[in-house]
Order: sequence, then C-alpha cells, then structure tokens
Amino acid sequence: GENVEQHPSTLSVQEGDSAVIKCTYSDSASNYFPWYKQELGKRPQLIIDIRSNVGEKKDQRIAVTLNKTAKHFSLHITETQPEDSAVYFCAATPSGGSYIPTFGRGTSLIVHP
Amino acid sequence: EAQVTQNPRYLITVTGKKLTVTCSQNMNHEYMSWYRQDPGLGLRQIYYSMNVEVTDKGDVPEGYKVSRKEKRNFPLILESPSPNQTSLYFCASSSGLAGGSSYNEQFFGPGTRLTVL
Repeated sequence: GENVEQHPSTLSVQEGDSAVIKCTYSDSASNYFPWYKQELGKRPQLIIDIRSNVGEKKDQRIAVTLNKTAKHFSLHITETQPEDSAVYFCAATPSGGSYIPTFGRGTSLIVHP
Repeated sequence: EAQVTQNPRYLITVTGKKLTVTCSQNMNHEYMSWYRQDPGLGLRQIYYSMNVEVTDKGDVPEGYKVSRKEKRNFPLILESPSPNQTSLYFCASSSGLAGGSSYNEQFFGPGTRLTVL
C-alpha cells in the first residue's frame, strides 16, 4: 500500500517568515495530493490540493509543488501569521482501487508573533 | 447545510463495554471512512466504505467493526473496547467517483474523543 512520510514533525517560525513542509510518497499510481489544516480542537479541512498533471499551484499565501519523478510534494506558506498555527497533513490518493487518501503524520506549525 | 455529524462527541467508558459511534452525512456521498488520530501518528484509517453494503479494512482495523446499511450512515462499533483504543476518532465522507475523478475532498466530522478506562 501507499506510504506517506512527512517532515518536519514540528516547525516553529516567526511571524512573516516562510514555512515549508515536505512529503514523500511511495506509490507511483497516486495522482491526487491534498493538504489539510487542523486547528486546535477542530476537524481537518482541505486548504489546497494538486493533481499529478500539475507541477505547482498557488492560492494567495500558500502554494504546493509536486515532483512526480522524485515522488515528493511540498507545502509553502509565505508571510506566515499567527492564525496559520495548526497541524498540517499531507495525503496521497491512489488513481484506482479505494480512492481513499493515505495521510502523513502531520506537522505542527507554530507561528510566533 | 452540507455536513458530516458524529455522536457522541465525547465518551468515557470501561474496558469491554460495547459502544457505537454514529456518523451521518447529508451530501449523498458514496465514500465514507473512519480514522483515528493519535499524537505523533497522524490520521490512520480504520475502515472505509465505497457504497452501501461495501466495506473494507484500512490500516488499523483490529478491534473495530463497521456497517453501511444506508448511504448516509456509517457507524463504528467497538465490541469490546480496550485502553489502547483511547483516541480521537474522525468520520469522513467524499464523493468518490463523482464525475469519474479520484480528486475528492474528504469532509470530516467534528470528531469523537473516546477514553477507555
């Protein structure tokens, strides 16, 4: 089955800095890579996603990049704000079979004012 | 309002006492799944269902049962809970193959925090 590795497990930055979270996956059949944000005490919610036929996608201060050859993808947050503090999960979804994503272990992002 | 609901939100129980956590979605989604979230381990899939009467094991199915008798409901059953099942549980649904695509957002319920003493 799919295996998703996510790093770092904890990331501490100053407000205004950039933050980068990296994930690798093992199954070359995976073709959809969503990122979820989970604020303290809340449910995970989708913030951005990327499909395997796209190399990069941006949405305001967040961007995702995908390198299919190397099987890794990353989340980039620029000009971080305290409200960006949360746990972020990457996931890889297979193109066949269950279509259910496999999640990374999560990154706790702390943005210090 | 489109949503996934879970009940109860909090539950403290004792070892061996059977319990059920309900999950319901009103989005007519084909796919539903259960995850448990533990510190440092992320979201691990317990069971999933691709349609009514179709269920399959995820990564950590031991000690759990599910059923999918109706499209909107996907209860999680712990026949004989043990302390190692103390965790935060999330139900999720997605549209599955809607539009012939696997690019499906998971909609999560609010979570159920279970403590087994």
